Amino acid sequence: EADIYQTPRYLVIGTGKKITLECSQTMGHDKMYWYQQDPGMELHLIHYSYGVNSTEKGDLSSESTVSRIRTEHFPLTLESARPSHTSQYLCASSEFSGNTIYFGEGSWLTVV
Amino acid sequence: AQSVTQLGSHVSVSEGALVLLRCNYSSSVPPYLFWYVQYPNQGLQLLLKYTTGATLVKGINGFEAEFKKSETSFHLTKPSAHMSDAAEYFCAVSDRIDKLIFGTGTRLQVFP
Repeated sequence: EADIYQTPRYLVIGTGKKITLECSQTMGHDKMYWYQQDPGMELHLIHYSYGVNSTEKGDLSSESTVSRIRTEHFPLTLESARPSHTSQYLCASSEFSGNTIYFGEGSWLTVV
Repeated sequence: AQSVTQLGSHVSVSEGALVLLRCNYSSSVPPYLFWYVQYPNQGLQLLLKYTTGATLVKGINGFEAEFKKSETSFHLTKPSAHMSDAAEYFCAVSDRIDKLIFGTGTRLQVFP
């Protein structure tokens, strides 16, 4: 089972602030993902990466950006947070040829 | 395009009763199918998955699911519900391992 760590778990921040949600995995997985989940709703893929220096946008448009400078690290950044960004953000990873995606515990973001 | 439909956003059962959570999918190619469980304020945990081979798949915590191609279904079952099974359950489909399409989720309540 993969170990994926997300910080912060909970964040309340004011409008206009810049935030970075951290995600790290210790299993050496090549592929990493960010999903967004509004309360009571399904998950939507917003970003993914196949490896270092690889980033792609997912199925749901997002104003956030990601970077993949190291295999184990896949941070998500919002340059100017807005209340519409209030959501849960779930990081995940998988082996390049693996058949299972493993999820972190999520980061709950509230923008006031 | 792929999609997932989970019938019933809420399911309530008594402790010891059969659990049946319904999932239907659409896919133009042989699908990979997954069930994830999400406990309150936590990330997603993989319950079970179908990729190829045996159509009856056994997962953790006594859950199992059967892939029925003719019915385009992948329903999740457990013979006897425990209080600890109360959670949100998500069905997901993919034509590739690394891009999951999630259903809207089913919240399972278990009454004593």
